[in-house]
Amino acid sequence: GQNIDQPTEMTATEGAIVQINCTYQTSGFNGLFWYQQHAGEAPTFLSYNVLDGLEEKGRFSSFLSRSKGYSYLLLKELQMKDSASYLCAVRDPVRSGAGSYQLTFGKGTKLSVIP
Amino acid sequence: GAVVSQHPSWVICKSGTSVKIECRSLDFQATTMFWYRQFPKQSLMLMATSNEGSKATYEQGVEKDKFLINHASLTLSTLTVTSAHPEDSSFYICSAKPGQLAKNIQYFGAGTRLSVL
Repeated sequence: GQNIDQPTEMTATEGAIVQINCTYQTSGFNGLFWYQQHAGEAPTFLSYNVLDGLEEKGRFSSFLSRSKGYSYLLLKELQMKDSASYLCAVRDPVRSGAGSYQLTFGKGTKLSVIP
Repeated sequence: GAVVSQHPSWVICKSGTSVKIECRSLDFQATTMFWYRQFPKQSLMLMATSNEGSKATYEQGVEKDKFLINHASLTLSTLTVTSAHPEDSSFYICSAKPGQLAKNIQYFGAGTRLSVL
């Protein structure tokens, strides 16, 4: 089966750095995505990793280790507007088919940024 | 670019009525669209995958006769919740995958909050 685990909630201080972890156990793997979702709104795409290593995009970076089934999202210089849920999602072509682009989402990590 | 419009954003209906939700890709052609449901404090649960010009593929446990999906063009997919009941109240979100862009990124609509009385 598929299992994607993330911490339920995290709190961090404005200006600080926070790391949100995601572990996954899937039949296959063809990419891991991070999305940001503010309450009552649709998710917005943050990052995509398919190879091991770090992808940096401004204040946000995402890391992937396929051998460990592990990823993290790193947020630097936290701002109040970063308070949101962060969703980890995996594409598993073994489960959904080689030509499918279905994603399986974790339950999300609710990040609260405090002054 | 890659904007997905979902309409309506909020709907209240009586039990037993049907509700149609539209999902449009505004600046790209979407060969594949996805429909998700999200309950409070839960993650996105995939309901079905919609491919243009063909029947939708439903996830296990999702009733195809209750959740009708039509993907009539490369820019429009609709989800109709038939004979809605209070337990169908949820946040429904669509996403679209551009046919030509790399990375297979899904772009999401703003969601529809359905409340069935």
